[in-house]
Amino acid sequence: EPEVTQTPSHQVTQMGQEVILRCVPISNHLYFYWYRQILGQKVEFLVSFYNNEISEKSEIFDDQFSVERPDGSNFTLKIRSTKLEDSAMYFCASSEVARRTSRETQYFGPGTRLLVL
Amino acid sequence: DAKTTQPPSMDCAEGRAANLPCNHSTISGNEYVYWYRQIHSQGPQYIIHGLKNNETNEMASLIITEDRKSSTLILPHATLRDTAVYYCIVTVYGGATNKLIFGTGTLLAVQP
Repeated sequence: EPEVTQTPSHQVTQMGQEVILRCVPISNHLYFYWYRQILGQKVEFLVSFYNNEISEKSEIFDDQFSVERPDGSNFTLKIRSTKLEDSAMYFCASSEVARRTSRETQYFGPGTRLLVL
Repeated sequence: DAKTTQPPSMDCAEGRAANLPCNHSTISGNEYVYWYRQIHSQGPQYIIHGLKNNETNEMASLIITEDRKSSTLILPHATLRDTAVYYCIVTVYGGATNKLIFGTGTLLAVQP
């Protein structure tokens, strides 16, 4: 069964450093998302991406964040200068379409646990 | 904020049916009800979704009331591995995409 994969599973970094989180969405999916979950808190939407551009972003997704689809398979989230409060689980998701059909279901990856020291 | 209301926790005996309720009284006519679950800190796992008809798949059944203001997720024979946080989500639309707004969900504890 196709699944979303994410690397690395864990990342430890120093405050102020740049990190890149990687995701490989399901192969025929066209819509990609990043969510995050701070320990003990809700899963929060960060950004959605379609056709090589951002479709929607939340207030959390400020200038320190960027997303990219550098090739036909990877989807990345970059945090330019990490802060302590960026420590969280980051989940990538993908969906086949985003319209109001059954194919809009989002499938999530296992997550990357980011710890900023 | 999430547009759904769920009990914070529920218990269920192993082998019995788990019935998880969700209130979504402000749902619009063309919004879907989705159910996901999250086992420990793993990625949310899709379970089932519906618009107005009842739905069933290999994991669960979804019963939506006729007025669509509430729904119930049914796990017919709960196992210990079904212990998780279950999220009921009404989809919202922004531009061309469909962000999911997660609430705090229901922590289902399946007891041996």
